[in-house]
Amino acid sequence: EAGVVQSPRYKIIEKKQPVAFWCNPISGHNTLYWYRQNLGQGPELLIRYENEEAVDDSQLPKDRFSAERLKGVDSTLKIQPAELGDSAVYLCASSFTTVRVFSQFFGPGTRLTVL
Amino acid sequence: DAKTTQPNSMESNEEEPVHLPCNHSTISGTDYIHWYRQLPSQGPEYVIHGLTSNVNNRMASLAIAEDRKSSTLILHRATLRDAAVYYCILLNSGNTPLVFGKGTRLSVIA
Repeated sequence: EAGVVQSPRYKIIEKKQPVAFWCNPISGHNTLYWYRQNLGQGPELLIRYENEEAVDDSQLPKDRFSAERLKGVDSTLKIQPAELGDSAVYLCASSFTTVRVFSQFFGPGTRLTVL
Repeated sequence: DAKTTQPNSMESNEEEPVHLPCNHSTISGTDYIHWYRQLPSQGPEYVIHGLTSNVNNRMASLAIAEDRKSSTLILHRATLRDAAVYYCILLNSGNTPLVFGKGTRLSVIA
């Protein structure tokens, strides 16, 4: 079974440029998460989707970040315009929601460098 | 969310057992104890979780204190591939986002 797929793996852009990250979750997983991981820190949630609905986006900087999950499958996270402080690893994770506690599956992440 | 406390780093010799501690003195009765690890340049991966009883799987064992205020992740024979950052996380529902601390960086010496 394929894991969570993310692309690109690496991205280098200049500040003020736009950038987009793509995530394809594990088939059948209805919950999708985007996390951001700064150097030396643990990942932090940006947004969580249940199917196509964003149910937790309180940590998403909405002035420059946007996300979508059309048809409740793959998802795109966009930054426009990027700032130097956006340099980080952006991780996508997915899980299958049940009433029991379960594990999240993470992709390899996209390492963004803003110059 | 209840907090967890872990040592910043630990070191182990290859093929020796490793005990990674986690304190969670404010854990609630419905919090599950999860462990994830993150290998270099990879996303975190699930290791194990438990509620009250000790748990074993192919990757590790989880020992939970009787009062649930602490737990220990046990790697029975550390290998070089086990070198990673290990995160202890409390979750009280199935679709709650993971709240990561800084974790414990495990170094394995050949």
